[in-house]
Amino acid sequence: EAGVAQSPRYKIIEKRQSVAFWCNPISGHATLYWYQQILGQGPKLLIQFQNNGVVDDSQLPKDRFSAERLKGVDSTLKIQPAKLEDSAVYLCASSPGQGALEQFFGPGTRLTVL
Amino acid sequence: GQQLNQSPQSMFIQEGEDVSMNCTSSSIFNTWLWYKQDPGEGPVLLIALYKAGELTSNGRLTAQFGITRKDSFLNISASIPSDVGIYFCAGQNYGGSQGNLIFGKGTKLSVKP
Repeated sequence: EAGVAQSPRYKIIEKRQSVAFWCNPISGHATLYWYQQILGQGPKLLIQFQNNGVVDDSQLPKDRFSAERLKGVDSTLKIQPAKLEDSAVYLCASSPGQGALEQFFGPGTRLTVL
Repeated sequence: GQQLNQSPQSMFIQEGEDVSMNCTSSSIFNTWLWYKQDPGEGPVLLIALYKAGELTSNGRLTAQFGITRKDSFLNISASIPSDVGIYFCAGQNYGGSQGNLIFGKGTKLSVKP
């Protein structure tokens, strides 16, 4: 079974530029999560989708971050414009259904904002 | 919001030694989970605990769900070099945002051969 795929693996941009990350969850998984992991910290949830609907985006900085999962499969997370403090690893995870205990994580995208 | 305190922050041990790390919270959780993260990879689930007082093993790993539901510990017996990595605890509640995980800051484990 293929795992969660993410791209790109690394991205370096300058502040005020825009960036987008892509995630393809495990086939058949209804729930998709985006996490931000700052160096030395645990992952922090940004947004949770159930199929193509948003379940929780309470910790998403909506003035600059946006995410979509239009067809209920893959998802994109965008930052526009980026700030220095956005430098982090952005992890995508999926699980079979809402409330399912095991979330399967992708390898992440490491973003550096200069 | 809910926060988890994980300790120790880092550990340097000799191969073959046992390891213990723990996690505490100011509020209760319905589920405790322990993850391991290798460099450049996402976290991988090691053990999930569903009931207060539960003790669960997975090979050389043993974890317990505290009776107060506010803490958990993870033990690794007879450590080996591949145990190197960052171990995260995570708490989970059901309700408004089902499935959301709250992570600790991690314990970085280094093993000297």
